[in-house]
Amino acid sequence: ILNVEQSPQSLHVQEGDSTNFTCSFPSSNFYALHWYRWETAKSPEALFVMTLNGDEKKKGRISATLNTKEGYSYLYIKGSQPEDSATYLCARNQFYFGTGTSLTVIP
Amino acid sequence: GAVVSQHPSWVICKSGTSVKIECRSLDFQATTMFWYRQFPKQSLMLMATSNEGSKATYEQGVEKDKFLINHASLTLSTLTVTSAHPEDSSFYICSARPQGRSSYNEQFFGPGTRLTVL
Repeated sequence: ILNVEQSPQSLHVQEGDSTNFTCSFPSSNFYALHWYRWETAKSPEALFVMTLNGDEKKKGRISATLNTKEGYSYLYIKGSQPEDSATYLCARNQFYFGTGTSLTVIP
Repeated sequence: GAVVSQHPSWVICKSGTSVKIECRSLDFQATTMFWYRQFPKQSLMLMATSNEGSKATYEQGVEKDKFLINHASLTLSTLTVTSAHPEDSSFYICSARPQGRSSYNEQFFGPGTRLTVL
């Protein structure tokens, strides 16, 4: 089993704060890292897929970086809004998921 | 675009009965669909890969005779939990890969099905 770990498990931030989460994964035989946003009672929504060491992706206020050599990815949210409240999942090589980081943005 | 539905969204059944869960790609064709299971406070775990027109491929430790998968069309895959027991209670979620996409691309998820076996 290839363990993907996410931290923190949960996070509460005030509206307007910036925040970040970590996804750690085994670096051997790596080919892709996916980030998803999962709101309660909805389908997980793909945010980013990254493949190359040093990759950086951005979508609005959300961005992600990838370090394949040391096996980690960071997800950043700038100026958090209540609608950003969700669980953020990462997946190594498409199928190996972490347990997620639950973000709550307090108005 | 790329919407996947699941039915039912939740189901409660008695021990020993079978339950069928449907996964449909609504606006695209999917030669490959995936079935995952998630226990409380755990990660999504891939159970099996469903290929249209052929037998499903099961992950190690997943009983193929207990979790029957049928992918009879390019828009529908079904998972049947046979002779369900309380330990099968879990959250089951499917995803679909649009026809022609590479493995680097996103898989599109359904909203999941909560199964409770009494």
